[in-house]
Amino acid sequence: DAKTTQPNSMESNEEEPVHLPCNHSTISGTDYIHWYRQLPSQGPEYVIHGLTSNVNNRMASLAIAEDRKSSTLILHRATLRDAAVYYCILSEDTDKLIFGTGTRLQVFP
Amino acid sequence: DTEVTQTPKHLVMGMTNKKSLKCEQHMGHRAMYWYKQKAKKPPELMFVYSYEKLSINESVPSRFSPECPNSSLLNLHLHALQPEDSALYLCASSQGRPPYEQYFGPGTRLTVT
Repeated sequence: DAKTTQPNSMESNEEEPVHLPCNHSTISGTDYIHWYRQLPSQGPEYVIHGLTSNVNNRMASLAIAEDRKSSTLILHRATLRDAAVYYCILSEDTDKLIFGTGTRLQVFP
Repeated sequence: DTEVTQTPKHLVMGMTNKKSLKCEQHMGHRAMYWYKQKAKKPPELMFVYSYEKLSINESVPSRFSPECPNSSLLNLHLHALQPEDSALYLCASSQGRPPYEQYFGPGTRLTVT
């Protein structure tokens, strides 16, 4: 399974944009890039996914490097509710999601 | 309805007890999953069911026994657990085709005494 590297923690102020990086230099051509987040005392929550092109949804944007060796999750205006652990996950054409250690995002008022 | 429900929310059991965790989804998803999450660690995949058949077992000890009685229901039967099995047990479901977006339940917090 391909691996991802994320910073252990990041901080942001409320209403500011947040860019969460993820490196995945061994990504294969069929790997999707997924982002999940886990708020305190809750199960993980799907955020966004992409394959090659940048993606936007109501929660976030995903920017994928042209060589696909890295990606960035963008929260356009952080709120206190966005404080969570964010996981960047690669999945091949299987049912397996292998979670890495993730990035703990703190948001300050 | 995009909800995965899990019962019970909390469970305390002795090492000689037998108990079961239950997971339910009504989204018509064909794949269901069990994960184990220790404190301050990421979730770890345990089992995957696809079309009600066990498709992935991540070398989980036999004291954990999964069961998928129908496409909406997933059970995890527990027997002779050890204190180190205390963890949050998460259930998830997905449509079962790429990109395999998974919907997670809130988990059952298990304590083995």
